[in-house]
Amino acid sequence: GAVVSQHPSWVICKSGTSVKIECRSLDFQATTMFWYRQFPKQSLMLMATSNEGSKATYEQGVEKDKFLINHASLTLSTLTVTSAHPEDSSFYICSAGQQGANTEAFFGQGTRLTVV
Amino acid sequence: GNSVTQMEGPVTLSEEAFLTINCTYTATGYPSLFWYVQYPGEGLQLLLKATKADDKGSNKGFEATYRKETTSFHLEKGSVQVSDSAVYFCALNWSSNTGKLIFGQGTTLQVKP
Repeated sequence: GAVVSQHPSWVICKSGTSVKIECRSLDFQATTMFWYRQFPKQSLMLMATSNEGSKATYEQGVEKDKFLINHASLTLSTLTVTSAHPEDSSFYICSAGQQGANTEAFFGQGTRLTVV
Repeated sequence: GNSVTQMEGPVTLSEEAFLTINCTYTATGYPSLFWYVQYPGEGLQLLLKATKADDKGSNKGFEATYRKETTSFHLEKGSVQVSDSAVYFCALNWSSNTGKLIFGQGTTLQVKP
């Protein structure tokens, strides 16, 4: 299947700083990318949907000013956690897909963010 | 609204035991159904999927059948191995915008030698 690469795989940052996470589709063009957040021992919660060249659509309860999403090309989307706090510590996973019914979305390996 | 409910874990089995992880869903329309597996420290991998009623998805000895009448998509494997130890997520996609998935809470499977 297609490959989605997420970077970094883990990051530790200080409170108040910003962290950028990249999600790349390596061998296909991703018209849509999705960002999920996973708390320990819990399921994945969709944070936002990003379409190339347009503003991201955020799920209810997700602060768009805190979680900045950019999808500048068909192979790259970034998630920036601004002014990070310890409660933002989590596992963030992206997925990438192509428009069309019932086709598979491919997941990155995830980024473990720890804010100290 | 749309939702997915999985059986609570952890599920602990001995090697070669039979596995069932229950999954039921609530959705409008006709969603596609998926099982994903997450190994420790890794992202999600698609295990199998079914796109319409009565479809059976299968992969690596795992199977699940899309049952519209019972709104279920239970995961089964006849003989588990230690290497199957992971977290399993049931998910649905109700829109043509693939990748926008609703996940169940995940079920941890531990297989002991």
